[in-house]
Amino acid sequence: EVQVVQSGAEVKKPGATVKISCKASGYTFTGFNIHWVRQAPGKGLEWVGYIDPEDGERVYAEKFQGRVTIIADSSRDIAHMELTSLTSDDTAVYYCAAEGTTASGALDVWGQGTTVTVSS
Amino acid sequence: DIVVTQSPVSLPVTPGEPASISCRSSQSLLFSNGYTYLSWYLQKPGQSPQLLIYLASYRASGVPDRFSGSGSGTDFTLAISRVETEDVGVYFCIQTLQTPWTFGQGTKLEIK
Repeated sequence: EVQVVQSGAEVKKPGATVKISCKASGYTFTGFNIHWVRQAPGKGLEWVGYIDPEDGERVYAEKFQGRVTIIADSSRDIAHMELTSLTSDDTAVYYCAAEGTTASGALDVWGQGTTVTVSS
Repeated sequence: DIVVTQSPVSLPVTPGEPASISCRSSQSLLFSNGYTYLSWYLQKPGQSPQLLIYLASYRASGVPDRFSGSGSGTDFTLAISRVETEDVGVYFCIQTLQTPWTFGQGTKLEIK
């Protein structure tokens, strides 16, 4: 079965760092980009960035530049997203998704989401 | 950044009736390869989003044929020929032509 499975919920204090993992299975991990998207409570979806697991090329949304790092470990078929200097505005469900495993230019395999709560 | 404008925000529909949702982009989503980089998704309550349509008009694997995508350039439509109760949720589009990828605001489909 083609799937990506994310790590569990996180509760962090303002100023902390969160690292979320995304484990891929059922397809060739290095063949398809992994994207990260977030959804704050009551708000729409927001693109954070992506990584090409084959060569490590990464592109981040300008809003997150300097605070986000996406890495891929092709030996374990896992991608990670790290977000630093957390504020309450970062409280959201974070999704990883694979691009184009069966549908070109689209996110066709989604993780179950990881809830990140930032609270003092 | 490409701005994607989606409408309506809310869509009450009687089961068996058709429904349609619109997305408009601030610039053409047509790439030089001839494909148009706009996709449609449904997020059912409590679930992750699921892909319905990619490259504007190609139905994803396993998606019922009552769902169809159309449009070109900057104007796109997701149509449901006969809404079923299982179709409730939030529908959204994404432009994937260029980074940053940008989303429509979402349309909440509810059953009358």
